[in-house]
Amino acid sequence: SAVISQKPSRDICQRGTSLTIQCQVDSQVTMMFWYRQQPGQSLTLIATANQGSEATYESGFVIDKFPISRPNLTFSTLTVSNMSPEDSSIYLCSVLDRANTGELFFGEGSRLTVL
Amino acid sequence: GQNIDQPTEMTATEGAIVQINCTYQTSGFNGLFWYQQHAGEAPTFLSYNVLDGLEEKGRFSSFLSRSKGYSYLLLKELQMKDSASYLCAVRDGGGADGLTFGKGTHLIIQP
Repeated sequence: SAVISQKPSRDICQRGTSLTIQCQVDSQVTMMFWYRQQPGQSLTLIATANQGSEATYESGFVIDKFPISRPNLTFSTLTVSNMSPEDSSIYLCSVLDRANTGELFFGEGSRLTVL
Repeated sequence: GQNIDQPTEMTATEGAIVQINCTYQTSGFNGLFWYQQHAGEAPTFLSYNVLDGLEEKGRFSSFLSRSKGYSYLLLKELQMKDSASYLCAVRDGGGADGLTFGKGTHLIIQP
């Protein structure tokens, strides 16, 4: 299984600012995913981060709001831009384990509170 | 569209058995997953079904019926530490590898 490190683990942000979340994996992985989990809700896929190409965004999420970088096979960043209180959420990085069942492994998440 | 339904909350007694149901309607199907998520922690993988039938793994079992769009997670010999949210998720295939998650079932274990 992959070990995934995310930082920051939590932060309190001011409205209108932007924050970048980092995700580091201990092995090379082809596909990395960014999920959002709003309070009391389940996980919603934001985008798939592809190495060497632009991220693929799900319906309702756009690159201007959630720019993603994937400079290599072990690292990705998600930026939450121009934050509002509605962006208060846990943001989770995950990777695909193709070696077994194709399950996803998740990082510990980054809990953002926007005031 | 994608639609995954599971009960919002269930309560069970320590030592007993509980079954958490999940129904899904997705545009495609390439596997159903169950995850456990304790409060404040990341989801952890429990089970995977892609063919019909029962998969057993220790105290946890998962069942799938593709024709009915139905799965359940069975937890036996419940322990207090099993109190958590249980998330049903589907990979709908079509070249995408991300999972679509249900809203999760909050399971409360009582002594």
